[in-house]
Amino acid sequence: SAVISQKPSRDICQRGTSLTIQCQVDSQVTMMFWYRQQPGQSLTLIATANQGSEATYESGFVIDKFPISRPNLTFSTLTVSNMSPEDSSIYLCSVWEDLTEAFFGQGTRLTVV
Amino acid sequence: DQQVKQNSPSLSVQEGRISILNCDYTNSMFDYFLWYKKYPAEGPTFLISISSIKDKNEDGRFTVFLNKSAKHLSLHIVPSQPGDSAVYFCAASNGDKLTFGKGITLSVRP
Repeated sequence: SAVISQKPSRDICQRGTSLTIQCQVDSQVTMMFWYRQQPGQSLTLIATANQGSEATYESGFVIDKFPISRPNLTFSTLTVSNMSPEDSSIYLCSVWEDLTEAFFGQGTRLTVV
Repeated sequence: DQQVKQNSPSLSVQEGRISILNCDYTNSMFDYFLWYKKYPAEGPTFLISISSIKDKNEDGRFTVFLNKSAKHLSLHIVPSQPGDSAVYFCAASNGDKLTFGKGITLSVRP
């Protein structure tokens, strides 16, 4: 099973600033995803991070707000831009193996003040 | 539009008894279902899964049942242990992505 390292594990940020979250996988994976879990809500898919091309965003999420990089098959970043208190959530990186099992990083708990 | 629903936010059971966690879905294109367990300050960890061509999958104390006609699945944990206390997420796959329910908080009382 893939081992995923995600950092930072938590941060408190001022509104209007940006935070970049890093996700490192110990093996090459084709499919990598970014999720958000707002308080009391389910895990919501933000986007699929595609290696070598632009990320594919889900409805309600846009590249200007959540730019994603995927420079290779083991690494990705998600930036939360121009943050507001509504962006306070847990952000999770996930990878899929053979489309039947997904693994998650430990998450980044973001608080915007 | 919530395609995966876990309608009960919490469940409390006595140690040694059975825990039954329910999940309903609306999208008939889902063909694979998974259960995840999440402790505070950790990412979700995979628990058990089931393909839409099956109606039951068992792994130790954990069994998942799928009723396709009712678009319903359930996770049975027996016997329940205090270490099972966590948030459990139901997820469904259509081959492209996973859609999660809101989760249910299970508390197992010693």
